[in-house]
Amino acid sequence: GAVVSQHPSRVICKSGTSVKIECRSLDFQATTMFWYRQFPKQSLMLMATSNEGSKATYEQGVEKDKFLINHASLTLSTLTVTSAHPEDSSFYICSARSGTQIRADTQYFGPGTRLTVL
Amino acid sequence: DAKTTQPTSMDCAEGRAANLPCNHSTISGNEYVYWYRQIHSQGPQYIIHGLKNNETNEMASLIITEDRKSSTLILPHATLRDTAVYYCIVRVASMDSSYKLIFGSGTRLLVRP
Repeated sequence: GAVVSQHPSRVICKSGTSVKIECRSLDFQATTMFWYRQFPKQSLMLMATSNEGSKATYEQGVEKDKFLINHASLTLSTLTVTSAHPEDSSFYICSARSGTQIRADTQYFGPGTRLTVL
Repeated sequence: DAKTTQPTSMDCAEGRAANLPCNHSTISGNEYVYWYRQIHSQGPQYIIHGLKNNETNEMASLIITEDRKSSTLILPHATLRDTAVYYCIVRVASMDSSYKLIFGSGTRLLVRP
């Protein structure tokens, strides 16, 4: 399958600071990327969908000013958690979907980033 | 608002087939069924997907009923490394004609030695 990477894999930050998470598609061009969040013992919750070169579409209840998403190229999307608070501590996972016809049906997921806000 | 129903947990013996059921009774004609699995503290791993025909790949087989209201993921010879949460997902169309995957609670599969 296709490879999606995330950086960093773990981050610990102080309350009130901002944290940026990168998501890269390593061997394909991703016209669409997705950001999910997962709390302990829960399923993945879709936060937003981003298409390269356009604004992200946020799911209901997700604050777009708090979770800034940039999808500036076909291989990179970033999620910035602004003014992080302890309740933002979670496992953040990105996924990417290819724009090519062959792989367009499938979303590939990154390994996740564990954010801990003190 | 997941559109699938799966058992909370299942177990099977190592080396035996694991059959994981999924109900998706409200699926519409152009919606695909996807299966992913998530091993603890990792990102989900794609397994297989299908529309109406049965599908097989190197990981698993997907059997979809004729009315498409349910499906079964089959791991033919389960190993301890197959212990994971398995998600059955119906692909949901987005307003911009793309689609997104909405995860339900999944089935926790435990493969016993």
